[in-house]
Amino acid sequence: QSALTQPPSASGSPGQSVTISCTGTSSDVGGYNYVSWYQQHPGKAPKLMIFEVTKRPSGVPDRFSGSKSGNTASLTVSGLQAEDEADYFCSSFANSKGWVFGGGTKLTVL
Amino acid sequence: EVQLVESGGGLVQPGGSLRLSCAASGFTFSSHWMGWVRQAPGKGLDWVASIKRDGSEKYYVDSVKGRFTVSRDNAQKSLILHMNNLRAEDTAVYYCAKDGSWSYDSWGQGTLVTVSS
Repeated sequence: QSALTQPPSASGSPGQSVTISCTGTSSDVGGYNYVSWYQQHPGKAPKLMIFEVTKRPSGVPDRFSGSKSGNTASLTVSGLQAEDEADYFCSSFANSKGWVFGGGTKLTVL
Repeated sequence: EVQLVESGGGLVQPGGSLRLSCAASGFTFSSHWMGWVRQAPGKGLDWVASIKRDGSEKYYVDSVKGRFTVSRDNAQKSLILHMNNLRAEDTAVYYCAKDGSWSYDSWGQGTLVTVSS
């Protein structure tokens, strides 16, 4: 059982927007602005897409955005493209527990 | 370009030991926290351990405390994970990851550890 809760699946058509949620507690997501999101294609290593809730690393398209409200963080992918189809994992700093991850969301581009 | 290359994975019997290594290049290794994250087959990501820039602080997930030890050699730009008393539930791909700004901004390709008799 993962510490952070994500929906197992999400989908959208090309060009549409999709939002993936990540729910934790006041001890992790709600307590720190240290939420990050990772994209993972099959058989590949994870890739950082969002850090510190809303920041994008260099090279990540601005179609990817992050936000947080209370104990829930969200990743929004706008203008869906075929290459966005992947698994997405959220993560949060959790102080004495180190880092916690969500169970992952499989994003399908219809 | 940042490169992280893990090695040392393989098949080990329950109760056995294994030593994973991660060779780093393309960045100032001694300036960054480093971590190990694992992924059981078909499952999500799980943080395993983190180590401070100079090795003076180490943190572990509860399930590996007392069994796993993380260390680093800044001169050799390498990260090590010693794993003892391995269990079936330790079976996973183990990733070496570089800490960026409160996140892991670079990952290795992973090394598979299989614990089975």
